[in-house]
Amino acid sequence: GENVEQHPSTLSVQEGDSAVIKCTYSDSASNYFPWYKQELGKRPQLIIDIRSNVGEKKDQRIAVTLNKTAKHFSLHITETQPEDSAVYFCAASDLTYNTDKLIFGTGTRLQVFP
Amino acid sequence: SQTIHQWPATLVQPVGSPLSLECTVEGTSNPNLYWYRQAAGRGLQLLFYSVGIGQISSEVPQNLSASRPQDRQFILSSKKLLLSDSGFYLCAWSPRGTDTQYFGPGTRLTVL
Repeated sequence: GENVEQHPSTLSVQEGDSAVIKCTYSDSASNYFPWYKQELGKRPQLIIDIRSNVGEKKDQRIAVTLNKTAKHFSLHITETQPEDSAVYFCAASDLTYNTDKLIFGTGTRLQVFP
Repeated sequence: SQTIHQWPATLVQPVGSPLSLECTVEGTSNPNLYWYRQAAGRGLQLLFYSVGIGQISSEVPQNLSASRPQDRQFILSSKKLLLSDSGFYLCAWSPRGTDTQYFGPGTRLTVL
């Protein structure tokens, strides 16, 4: 089955700087890669996703890049703001047994200091 | 638009007591449904998923069970809670045939 590794586990940046979180996956057949943001005590919220037929996707200050050959994808946040502080989870689709499951990374705690 | 509900929002239960958490989805039909558990400061552990009424797949053998008595209702149960069952329980749904998941507001369970 699919396995997802996420780095770093914690990330501290100054407001206005960029933040990059990286994930690697094991199953080359995976074709869907979402990113979720979870604020303290809240539910994970989908912030951006990418499918394997696209190399990059952007939505305002956030972007995701996908390298299928290397089997890794990254979340890029530019001009970080204190409200970007949260835990971010990457995920990859698990196509084992043709189920619609996601395999999640272990999360990255991002702190943006004013 | 689609909405997912969970209740209760918080729950404090003694060890050995039973558990029933409910999740319902509005505004869609035939959704895939998922139960996750998140221990404090940890990641998301998939417990159960369902692709239809009465169809439940278990990911982790433990003292929890799940049922789907109606198309848009998913229930998580236990006959006897353990201390290790404490955590944040999240229900999620995805449109049938897709893999984009949307999470409910969660139930915070504390077992004392």
